[in-house]
Amino acid sequence: DQQVKQNSPSLSVQEGRISILNCDYTNSMFDYFLWYKKYPAEGPTFLISISSIKDKNEDGRFTVFLNKSAKHLSLHIVPSQPGDSAVYFCAARAAGGTSYGKLTFGQGTILTVHP
Amino acid sequence: NAGVTQTPKFQVLKTGQSMTLQCAQDMNHEYMSWYRQDPGMGLRLIHYSVGAGITDQGEVPNGYNVSRSTTEDFPLRLLSAAPSQTSVYFCASSTTEGNTIYFGEGSWLTVV
Repeated sequence: DQQVKQNSPSLSVQEGRISILNCDYTNSMFDYFLWYKKYPAEGPTFLISISSIKDKNEDGRFTVFLNKSAKHLSLHIVPSQPGDSAVYFCAARAAGGTSYGKLTFGQGTILTVHP
Repeated sequence: NAGVTQTPKFQVLKTGQSMTLQCAQDMNHEYMSWYRQDPGMGLRLIHYSVGAGITDQGEVPNGYNVSRSTTEDFPLRLLSAAPSQTSVYFCASSTTEGNTIYFGEGSWLTVV
């Protein structure tokens, strides 16, 4: 049972336009969500996160939106740049105790930004 | 700024061989974990540790052992490698707050 789903395996956008990556989750115990970016042959790099008490978090060109009632979050990249081309993973963490170090990942979305 | 260091980067094993993937972090993080990444499946948690001497199983623990004798090190052992363990392995660490989890660069393992 996939608790975190990224239903779009790939996304292609033009440089300067907005990239929107989506993520759905099923476990209502998740209270913290993270987005990671991964280049080939490298480890995932933390991008941005959001707590379940918020509905939006912004960091430069990156904004994450959380809709708790729909169990849906999205990552917006504006404007998109060719260097943003990578695999993006959505991840979720349950509340409390030893869950802090455990993440459940989506399958990833390959973003390609064309010049 | 070493962060999370994994060795080896690449390894080819024969079925039935054993090996240890090493992971070390220099950030004094309490939490460490091992994930594997397979095509189309994202990253899946193998084992994790909340501190020295404490380990627990994740989503896909079968075929792997771990121990945590120090805060810095968290090795992953394959006792008898199987082709199904061909994967990319990532070690990660975080503080007890867990708001940011840092990953190593990965270890590519092929079992033939």
